[in-house]
Amino acid sequence: DTEVTQTPKHLVMGMTNKKSLKCEQHMGHRAMYWYKQKAKKPPELMFVYSYEKLSINESVPSRFSPECPNSSLLNLHLHALQPEDSALYLCASSQTTGTQYEQYFGPGTRLTVT
Amino acid sequence: KQEVTQIPAALSVPEGENLVLNCSFTDSAIYNLQWFRQDPGKGLTSLLLIQSSQREQTSGRLNASLDKSSGRSTLYIAASQPGDSATYLCAVLNSGGSNYKLTFGKGTLLTVNP
Repeated sequence: DTEVTQTPKHLVMGMTNKKSLKCEQHMGHRAMYWYKQKAKKPPELMFVYSYEKLSINESVPSRFSPECPNSSLLNLHLHALQPEDSALYLCASSQTTGTQYEQYFGPGTRLTVT
Repeated sequence: KQEVTQIPAALSVPEGENLVLNCSFTDSAIYNLQWFRQDPGKGLTSLLLIQSSQREQTSGRLNASLDKSSGRSTLYIAASQPGDSATYLCAVLNSGGSNYKLTFGKGTLLTVNP
């Protein structure tokens, strides 16, 4: 099983809402990632978790708050977002953050901020 | 800072043709290179992973080569099919301090016409 699942598939939220994105994998991977992808652009790394600890934060605004409650689950909590935060949010995982391992991506959550 | 360039930005070919997609990167100190496929509005599917010590990898009709010293990789697709139509992304893994980071190119949009 090389599947990374993400819920919801689509999310529309107002600028004052609080919502969460969820990502799950059952491959025993110990590294998990959040990426943001704007239309017609490549994915950009936001956060990396290694063994449930945050190891990279790519200077992401605090209105995005990641959480890794266990080795299979990764959440992204959203609060007071701006319309320019509308994008496809992709989750990925790899065995570890070691250089020999490929990253497996989920299908993404399409977020629209109104 | 690593920069990844993919040429061409778009390619349209008739079914059955063999084709080559190009990827170049500015910092040759990479650990690996991954080729991904992305269908419109979907997540990324990993196609091939080449470690920095390898010269090429093959999977079915796909063959990827890597020339690390010159900062280039190619993805060769044999006997293209309409189902190959998608955006193809190249990504390289570099060291960012004590962590590793995947940097993506902007992709090549491939259309295979029946």
